[in-house]
Amino acid sequence: AQSVTQLDSHVSVSEGTPVLLRCNYSSSYSPSLFWYVQHPNKGLQLLLKYTSAATLVKGINGFEAEFKKSETSFHLTKPSAHMSDAAEYFCVVSRKAAGNKLTFGGGTRVLVKP
Amino acid sequence: KAGVTQTPRYLIKTRGQQVTLSCSPISGHRSVSWYQQTPGQGLQFLFEYFSETQRNKGNFPGRFSGRQFSNSRSEMNVSTLELGDSALYLCASSLGTGGLGANVLTFGAGSRLTVL
Repeated sequence: AQSVTQLDSHVSVSEGTPVLLRCNYSSSYSPSLFWYVQHPNKGLQLLLKYTSAATLVKGINGFEAEFKKSETSFHLTKPSAHMSDAAEYFCVVSRKAAGNKLTFGGGTRVLVKP
Repeated sequence: KAGVTQTPRYLIKTRGQQVTLSCSPISGHRSVSWYQQTPGQGLQFLFEYFSETQRNKGNFPGRFSGRQFSNSRSEMNVSTLELGDSALYLCASSLGTGGLGANVLTFGAGSRLTVL
């Protein structure tokens, strides 16, 4: 069994300040981990993925995440928030042998203040 | 390169009716997955099809079904609609069906179903 917990349902940051979105996972198997973003009335877009290569993963739009097995965490960060980063972010876990069956966290809604 | 296309984008049905949603994957993608998104339950996996075969299934009642055609297009059907079926239904396509779990899913914009 696997599960994902996003520790904050809402995060508010000022434009130009760092963003931190926290994610903890639980998996009986070596997991694949992803972060997706969803803008209003849009589908989900992949930001980055971890599949047992480098533990620090760089994604699109300046986002990166670090896989910490000892802490079962996969937090997402960005050094400087932009207004366009306002969206909902989902941490996702997948078992390597489970095809494209993804388990989503509850989501973190990010508000960026000017 | 066209993305994942879902039709219809919006629809309203009444309880007891049935609905069919369509998904056209990215050209060359052979795997299609379906997800339900609701405010209460979040994003939940419905099923995945690869080469016209259901490969995975989530924990949904039998009223939810799907199929995939030889051109990889997929449809999902919900029969005997209930109020709780109101949701955004998202379709995603990928080249394959995992293995190393590295497949990238490309999602469509979704079909928003309202059940009255």
